[in-house]
Amino acid sequence: EIVMTQSPLSLPVTPGEPASISCRSSQSPHKKGYTYLDWYVQKPGQPPQLLIYLSFNRASGVPDRFSGSGSGTDFTLTISRVEAEDVGVYYCMQAMETPFTFGQGTKLEIK
Amino acid sequence: QITMEESGPTLVKPTETLTLTCTFSGFSLSSSGMAVGWIRQPPGKALEVVAFTYWHDDKRYNPFLEGRVTLTNEAAKNQVILRMTNLDPADTATYYCAHFSSFVNTGYFDSWGQGILVRVSS
Repeated sequence: EIVMTQSPLSLPVTPGEPASISCRSSQSPHKKGYTYLDWYVQKPGQPPQLLIYLSFNRASGVPDRFSGSGSGTDFTLTISRVEAEDVGVYYCMQAMETPFTFGQGTKLEIK
Repeated sequence: QITMEESGPTLVKPTETLTLTCTFSGFSLSSSGMAVGWIRQPPGKALEVVAFTYWHDDKRYNPFLEGRVTLTNEAAKNQVILRMTNLDPADTATYYCAHFSSFVNTGYFDSWGQGILVRVSS
Protein backbone atom coordinates (compact mmCIF):
# COMPACT_ATOMS: atom_id res chain seq x y z
CA GLU A 1 0.00 0.00 0.00
CA ILE A 2 1.02 3.62 -0.47
CA VAL A 3 2.30 5.17 2.77
CA MET A 4 1.49 8.83 3.43
CA THR A 5 3.74 10.78 5.79
CA GLN A 6 2.82 14.23 7.11
CA SER A 7 4.84 16.86 8.89
CA PRO A 8 4.70 18.49 11.28
CA LEU A 9 2.30 16.50 13.45
CA SER A 10 1.55 19.56 15.58
CA LEU A 11 1.33 23.11 14.28
CA PRO A 12 0.73 26.07 16.61
CA VAL A 13 -0.06 29.20 14.60
CA THR A 14 -0.80 32.82 15.46
CA PRO A 15 -4.02 34.12 13.87
CA GLY A 16 -3.31 36.03 10.69
CA GLU A 17 -0.06 34.18 10.08
CA PRO A 18 0.45 31.62 7.29
CA ALA A 19 0.72 27.89 7.87
CA SER A 20 1.84 24.99 5.74
CA ILE A 21 1.61 21.23 6.09
CA SER A 22 3.73 18.77 4.16
CA CYS A 23 2.62 15.37 2.88
CA ARG A 24 4.90 12.83 1.27
CA SER A 25 3.73 9.66 -0.47
CA SER A 26 5.79 6.48 -0.83
CA GLN A 27 4.93 6.48 -4.52
CA SER A 28 3.45 9.07 -6.81
CA PRO A 29 -0.38 9.18 -6.76
CA HIS A 30 -0.40 10.25 -10.39
CA LYS A 31 -2.41 8.34 -12.99
CA LYS A 32 -4.00 9.12 -16.34
CA GLY A 33 -2.92 12.77 -16.16
CA TYR A 34 -4.34 13.40 -12.68
CA THR A 35 -2.76 13.50 -9.25
CA TYR A 36 -5.10 11.78 -6.81
CA LEU A 37 -4.11 13.61 -3.65
CA ASP A 38 -6.77 15.06 -1.36
CA TRP A 39 -6.69 17.14 1.79
CA TYR A 40 -9.30 16.90 4.56
CA VAL A 41 -9.82 18.72 7.83
CA GLN A 42 -11.47 17.21 10.87
CA LYS A 43 -12.74 19.85 13.25
CA PRO A 44 -13.31 18.89 16.88
CA GLY A 45 -16.25 16.50 17.27
CA GLN A 46 -16.98 16.40 13.54
CA PRO A 47 -16.39 14.03 10.66
CA PRO A 48 -13.68 14.96 8.17
CA GLN A 49 -14.56 17.36 5.38
CA LEU A 50 -12.97 17.74 1.99
CA LEU A 51 -10.73 20.76 1.44
CA ILE A 52 -8.66 20.06 -1.66
CA TYR A 53 -8.89 17.37 -4.35
CA LEU A 54 -6.60 16.37 -7.21
CA SER A 55 -3.73 18.08 -5.41
CA PHE A 56 -4.80 21.71 -5.92
CA ASN A 57 -8.57 22.03 -6.55
CA ARG A 58 -10.55 23.63 -3.73
CA ALA A 59 -13.77 21.88 -2.83
CA SER A 60 -17.02 23.78 -2.99
CA GLY A 61 -17.31 26.41 -0.27
CA VAL A 62 -13.66 26.23 0.84
CA PRO A 63 -12.18 29.72 1.42
CA ASP A 64 -9.48 30.81 -1.00
CA ARG A 65 -6.97 31.16 1.84
CA PHE A 66 -6.56 27.38 1.47
CA SER A 67 -4.39 26.15 -1.38
CA GLY A 68 -2.79 22.88 -2.39
CA SER A 69 0.38 22.38 -4.36
CA GLY A 70 3.00 19.82 -5.18
CA SER A 71 3.80 17.04 -7.59
CA GLY A 72 5.50 13.69 -7.69
CA THR A 73 5.59 12.50 -4.11
CA ASP A 74 5.70 15.84 -2.23
CA PHE A 75 2.63 17.93 -1.53
CA THR A 76 1.78 20.96 0.57
CA LEU A 77 -1.36 22.44 2.04
CA THR A 78 -1.01 26.15 2.67
CA ILE A 79 -3.27 28.45 4.66
CA SER A 80 -2.39 32.01 3.73
CA ARG A 81 -3.80 33.60 6.90
CA VAL A 82 -4.92 31.32 9.68
CA GLU A 83 -8.20 32.06 11.39
CA ALA A 84 -9.50 30.70 14.70
CA GLU A 85 -12.04 28.52 12.88
CA ASP A 86 -9.22 26.62 11.13
CA VAL A 87 -8.42 24.67 14.30
CA GLY A 88 -8.55 20.93 13.66
CA VAL A 89 -6.61 17.97 12.35
CA TYR A 90 -5.57 18.04 8.71
CA TYR A 91 -5.11 14.84 6.71
CA CYS A 92 -3.77 14.13 3.26
CA MET A 93 -5.06 11.06 1.44
CA GLN A 94 -4.04 9.32 -1.77
CA ALA A 95 -6.94 8.15 -3.91
CA MET A 96 -4.99 6.64 -6.75
CA GLU A 97 -5.20 3.02 -5.67
CA THR A 98 -7.02 1.02 -3.04
CA PRO A 99 -6.61 0.83 -0.18
CA PHE A 100 -6.79 4.60 -0.13
CA THR A 101 -4.46 5.75 2.63
CA PHE A 102 -4.32 8.77 4.91
CA GLY A 103 -1.42 10.53 6.54
CA GLN A 104 -1.11 10.53 10.34
CA GLY A 105 -2.75 13.93 10.63
CA THR A 106 -1.45 17.38 11.57
CA LYS A 107 -3.09 19.10 14.50
CA LEU A 108 -3.37 22.83 13.93
CA GLU A 109 -3.90 24.91 17.04
CA ILE A 110 -4.06 28.60 17.70
CA LYS A 111 -1.29 30.18 19.77
CA GLN B 1 -27.75 16.90 -1.55
CA ILE B 2 -26.04 13.71 -0.43
CA THR B 3 -26.55 12.43 3.11
CA MET B 4 -24.89 9.47 4.79
CA GLU B 5 -25.89 7.84 8.06
CA GLU B 6 -24.35 4.96 9.99
CA SER B 7 -26.32 2.66 12.27
CA GLY B 8 -25.63 -0.41 14.33
CA PRO B 9 -24.53 -1.55 17.79
CA THR B 10 -22.25 0.62 19.88
CA LEU B 11 -21.00 -2.16 22.16
CA VAL B 12 -19.78 -5.53 20.94
CA LYS B 13 -18.05 -8.32 22.82
CA PRO B 14 -14.66 -9.70 21.73
CA THR B 15 -14.88 -12.48 19.11
CA GLU B 16 -18.40 -11.39 18.12
CA THR B 17 -19.45 -10.15 14.67
CA LEU B 18 -20.21 -6.49 13.99
CA THR B 19 -22.80 -5.45 11.42
CA LEU B 20 -23.03 -1.77 10.50
CA THR B 21 -25.44 -0.26 8.01
CA CYS B 22 -24.79 2.83 5.92
CA THR B 23 -28.00 4.42 4.66
CA PHE B 24 -27.61 7.12 2.08
CA SER B 25 -29.66 9.49 -0.05
CA GLY B 26 -29.03 11.91 -2.87
CA PHE B 27 -27.41 9.44 -5.25
CA SER B 28 -27.82 5.94 -6.63
CA LEU B 29 -25.04 3.44 -6.05
CA SER B 30 -26.03 1.93 -9.40
CA SER B 31 -24.95 5.10 -11.23
CA SER B 32 -21.59 5.37 -12.90
CA GLY B 33 -18.94 7.07 -10.81
CA MET B 34 -20.58 6.47 -7.46
CA ALA B 35 -18.87 4.65 -4.62
CA VAL B 36 -19.16 4.26 -0.86
CA GLY B 37 -16.40 3.69 1.63
CA TRP B 38 -16.20 2.71 5.28
CA ILE B 39 -13.48 4.55 7.16
CA ARG B 40 -12.64 4.07 10.82
CA GLN B 41 -10.82 6.13 13.40
CA PRO B 42 -9.60 4.62 16.68
CA PRO B 43 -9.86 7.10 19.56
CA GLY B 44 -7.20 9.78 19.17
CA LYS B 45 -5.76 8.18 16.05
CA ALA B 46 -5.76 8.67 12.31
CA LEU B 47 -8.25 7.63 9.66
CA GLU B 48 -8.04 4.30 7.86
CA VAL B 49 -10.17 2.99 5.02
CA VAL B 50 -11.71 -0.34 5.96
CA ALA B 51 -13.65 -1.24 2.82
CA PHE B 52 -14.91 0.30 -0.37
CA THR B 53 -17.48 -0.49 -3.05
CA TYR B 54 -17.84 0.93 -6.55
CA TRP B 55 -21.08 1.36 -8.49
CA HIS B 56 -20.34 -1.75 -10.55
CA ASP B 57 -20.17 -3.85 -7.35
CA ASP B 58 -16.39 -4.06 -7.36
CA LYS B 59 -15.48 -4.30 -3.68
CA ARG B 60 -12.10 -3.61 -2.12
CA TYR B 61 -10.97 -4.49 1.38
CA ASN B 62 -8.03 -3.27 3.36
CA PRO B 63 -5.51 -6.13 3.54
CA PHE B 64 -4.79 -5.44 7.21
CA LEU B 65 -8.22 -6.85 8.07
CA GLU B 66 -7.15 -10.25 6.75
CA GLY B 67 -10.49 -11.42 5.38
CA ARG B 68 -12.58 -10.40 8.43
CA VAL B 69 -14.62 -7.84 6.51
CA THR B 70 -17.44 -8.24 3.99
CA LEU B 71 -19.46 -5.53 2.23
CA THR B 72 -22.96 -6.01 0.91
CA ASN B 73 -24.47 -3.57 -1.57
CA GLU B 74 -28.19 -3.11 -1.13
CA ALA B 75 -28.43 -0.50 -3.87
CA ALA B 76 -32.23 -0.80 -4.13
CA LYS B 77 -32.49 0.11 -0.44
CA ASN B 78 -29.76 2.78 -0.69
CA GLN B 79 -27.68 0.89 1.85
CA VAL B 80 -24.21 -0.57 2.16
CA ILE B 81 -23.69 -3.10 4.95
CA LEU B 82 -20.34 -3.73 6.61
CA ARG B 83 -19.80 -7.02 8.39
CA MET B 84 -16.70 -7.58 10.49
CA THR B 85 -16.02 -10.86 12.24
CA ASN B 86 -13.95 -11.86 15.26
CA LEU B 87 -13.95 -8.41 16.86
CA ASP B 88 -11.02 -7.40 19.05
CA PRO B 89 -10.66 -4.44 21.44
CA ALA B 90 -8.27 -2.97 18.82
CA ASP B 91 -11.32 -2.60 16.54
CA THR B 92 -12.76 0.00 18.91
CA ALA B 93 -13.21 3.06 16.72
CA THR B 94 -15.61 5.54 15.22
CA TYR B 95 -16.81 4.07 11.96
CA TYR B 96 -17.76 6.47 9.18
CA CYS B 97 -19.38 5.80 5.86
CA ALA B 98 -18.71 8.29 3.11
CA HIS B 99 -19.68 8.89 -0.49
CA PHE B 100 -16.78 8.76 -2.92
CA SER B 101 -16.85 10.48 -6.29
CA SER B 102 -15.05 8.11 -8.63
CA PHE B 103 -14.81 9.84 -11.97
CA VAL B 104 -11.51 10.22 -13.81
CA ASN B 105 -11.33 13.90 -12.84
CA THR B 106 -12.50 13.56 -9.23
CA GLY B 107 -11.48 10.96 -6.67
CA TYR B 108 -12.51 12.11 -3.20
CA PHE B 109 -14.82 11.52 -0.24
CA ASP B 110 -17.21 14.45 -0.43
CA SER B 111 -19.97 13.53 2.01
CA TRP B 112 -19.51 11.82 5.36
CA GLY B 113 -21.87 10.49 8.00
CA GLN B 114 -21.51 11.65 11.59
CA GLY B 115 -19.93 8.32 12.49
CA ILE B 116 -20.80 5.65 15.03
CA LEU B 117 -18.50 4.84 17.95
CA VAL B 118 -18.19 1.09 18.34
CA ARG B 119 -16.59 -0.22 21.53
CA VAL B 120 -15.33 -3.77 21.74
CA SER B 121 -15.34 -4.88 25.33
CA SER B 122 -16.44 -7.82 27.45
